Amino acid sequence: EAQVTQNPRYLITVTGKKLTVTCSQNMNHEYMSWYRQDPGLGLRQIYYSMNVEVTDKGDVPEGYKVSRKEKRNFPLILESPSPNQTSLYFCASRESGGKGGYTFGSGTRLTVV
Amino acid sequence: SQQGEEDPQALSIQEGENATMNCSYKTSINNLQWYRQNSGRGLVHLILIRSNEREKHSGRLRVTLDTSKKSSSLLITASRAADTASYFCATGGQGGSEKLVFGKGTKLTVNP
Repeated sequence: EAQVTQNPRYLITVTGKKLTVTCSQNMNHEYMSWYRQDPGLGLRQIYYSMNVEVTDKGDVPEGYKVSRKEKRNFPLILESPSPNQTSLYFCASRESGGKGGYTFGSGTRLTVV
Repeated sequence: SQQGEEDPQALSIQEGENATMNCSYKTSINNLQWYRQNSGRGLVHLILIRSNEREKHSGRLRVTLDTSKKSSSLLITASRAADTASYFCATGGQGGSEKLVFGKGTKLTVNP
């Protein structure tokens, strides 16, 4: 089944403890992206990648890192999480030059205390 | 930066009625996409319309794009209770990038 898989689905962590949210897609898509969703603010793009080793900042990149060493994986790294990074995170992918939109993962609900 | 703005913020209709949601944006775009989200779940892509297209259909969905007014609309015909969800527009593709900006969404409730 074509899908974007995020792990974990839920995570509670403490301020300052580094964490990684993994994202993997099995559709051979070139484009991948991370979003966070907050009440009243909607979805905001954190980082996106247009191919292996090609990443760029979205609207809210501060406090996050990403890497794209392989086409299928696009992990989101929080080096020193803070409570304002408590949010619902989504990873998504789509093929380049395609007429379709993004396929989204099921989301990761992160709480930083 | 907020690009797409949906209107209305919330819409409640009866099953069988049509639902129309609007999206306005500020800068030039390469494409505009509509997504649906059921409560707390991942978004599902509905339709992508390119800046040189004016209208697209997919099943009961009809999307229009007016680049002169910087606006788009999503029409769901003969709505069903299962259409209850939040609907988002997203604008992107400027300068060949994949920077995608979402609106805050319209929450649609279809009453049986």
